This record gives sequence, structure tokens and C-alpha cells, in this order.
Amino acid sequence: EADIYQTPRYLVIGTGKKITLECSQTMGHDKMYWYQQDPGMELHLIHYSYGVNSTEKGDLSSESTVSRIRTEHFPLTLESARPSHTSQYLCASSAGQPLGGGYTFGSGTRLTVV
Amino acid sequence: GNSVTQMEGPVTLSEEAFLTINCTYTATGYPSLFWYVQYPGEGLQLLLKATKADDKGSNKGFEATYRKETTSFHLEKGSVQVSDSAVYFCALSPTSGTYKYIFGTGTRLKVLA
Repeated sequence: EADIYQTPRYLVIGTGKKITLECSQTMGHDKMYWYQQDPGMELHLIHYSYGVNSTEKGDLSSESTVSRIRTEHFPLTLESARPSHTSQYLCASSAGQPLGGGYTFGSGTRLTVV
Repeated sequence: GNSVTQMEGPVTLSEEAFLTINCTYTATGYPSLFWYVQYPGEGLQLLLKATKADDKGSNKGFEATYRKETTSFHLEKGSVQVSDSAVYFCALSPTSGTYKYIFGTGTRLKVLA
């Protein structure tokens, strides 16, 4: 049973629309992450958060924005979707070190912008 | 800096064949090491982990041993099944200073009946 939930699973949307991808976790993890996964499978970190009101940009530049108002919720927003935003988006959370338990991933949102 | 290098795929095997997916890493200190699996249309799932040198992680018939002398964490399974077809990612959790994991580029495994 998943402890981290992403909605929607699939989204097809027109160019210029504003979209929000939802991510929620029930594990009380402080750390949360957004990855963009290209068709070649490689994962690119686009945003992360180490706690409420803390957000940082990741290694790959992205036009998306995130917020972290509650521990359990880490939504990602695109103000104006473009075809170049078409991708799989994966949300993850972790308890962080020293527990070293690893990341827990959601099932992902596959976004297609037409 | 920290990095993870995985063997390129795709890897195609017949059912019951032996599997090895190579993973080597570069890191300072004593990172934790992980293998994740991604089935089609899904997110990544933690397959196994090792947190110190010589530890062996194991799960569902898969094994990997943390080798500090060769900076490796190769994934092995003695007899693969069609249901093992997926993408496998090696990952590293740095010792300190960041909670951001370093992921390999993924290796696609296809098992034929």
C-alpha cells in the first residue's frame, strides 16, 4: 500500500494552461523531492524541500514552482504548460539521515502537453 | 564529487538465467547504497540497501554486496523470471551535508520466456 500519493496519474492538457501536480505522504517525512524522468529513464531532480516553508531548486532547471505549507503536501505547479514540459514527474520523500531508509516514491504523473 | 555509474542496457536474458547489473560509485566517506526497481508505468520501489562496507542487501532473490575496496554494489539474481522485467537504478546516499541521493542512469532488464 502506497504511503505517498500522486494525482493525477495521467494528464493531457493544452499549451498555456496552468496545472498543479499533487503529492502527499502520510509518513511524516521532512524531506520531499520532485524528479522529472525523461524517456531515456534518467531521473533529474527539479525541486526539493527539507521541511515546511523550505524549498530549493534541484540540479535541472525547471519552469515549475513548488510550495511546502504542510509537512505532508508538496505540490508542483506549472503556470503555463508547454510541449517541452511533457514528461513523467515523480515525487519522493525520505526521513533523511541517519536513518538511511531510502526514498519512498509515488507512482508518478505522466504529463502530456499538446 | 559523488557519482554513480551503471552498466548500460538493455539487458536481455532468458528465464532462469543469472543476472548481474554492475554499479560503481565515487564518494567521500561511507555512503549508503541502494537498488531501486521501476516497473512499467510505476514509480521507483526500494529493492535493497546496504549502509556499510561488506553489508549484503537482499530481497526477492536479488542480492548486492557493498564493496568499498572496489567501490561497487553490483546487483545479482540467480534465476530471473519474466516478472523481473523492469528498470533498475543504483543510488547513493552521501555521508553528510545533503539528503539528495545520487541516482545512476538506470538499466533496463527484459526477461524472455
